[in-house]
Amino acid sequence: AQSVSQHNHHVILSEAASLELGCNYSYGGTVNLFWYVQYPGQHLQLLLKYFSGDPLVKGIKGFEAEFIKSKFSFNLRKPSVQWSDTAEYFCAGGFNDYKLSFGAGTTVTVRA
Amino acid sequence: NAGVTQTPKFQVLKTGQSMTLQCAQDMNHEYMSWYRQDPGMGLRLIHYSVGAGITDQGEVPNGYNVSRSTTEDFPLRLLSAAPSQTSVYFCASSYSGIRDGYTFGSGTRLTVV
Repeated sequence: AQSVSQHNHHVILSEAASLELGCNYSYGGTVNLFWYVQYPGQHLQLLLKYFSGDPLVKGIKGFEAEFIKSKFSFNLRKPSVQWSDTAEYFCAGGFNDYKLSFGAGTTVTVRA
Repeated sequence: NAGVTQTPKFQVLKTGQSMTLQCAQDMNHEYMSWYRQDPGMGLRLIHYSVGAGITDQGEVPNGYNVSRSTTEDFPLRLLSAAPSQTSVYFCASSYSGIRDGYTFGSGTRLTVV
């Protein structure tokens, strides 16, 4: 069955530290991959997406993700986090044209 | 252009009561979905629709009904609420599927006591 898993449940960082969140998917075919962010009390917003082409994808707010097909991974990175990056981050996979499967999410807390 | 509008934002129900969570979008999106969000479980797909008159089940459909009589509206019905349905519910829509990206509503926080 197709699925998405996120390794970290809660990550605590200091401002200016680098962030990397792990995401793996389970599927042998073509998959579209996404990272969404949910700020406290808000709805989900799309950070970035990968469909094909350059495996290094740049998104909004300085985030980027790298698709590594051999590892079935799509990890999210940011070189230097800010307090405003405190949020919950969800990796999602699209295994057909219209259904998204989400990982369990990673809560990121950035301390000033 | 209001995007995806969900009502109500908060609701408390007693076990066995019924209610409808409303979702409307004004972007002429064909694809609409309902998710529930529970701590440590991410978002799970309840039902989805690929156009007016067409709906299908997602991962966790039991206890929920949907219909799609118009492109704009996609209500979610709880026929007999149970405490296990306490959750935050999100509606999402997309013009032509995941490649366009989904736009999410602001959510409905439902508590069943």
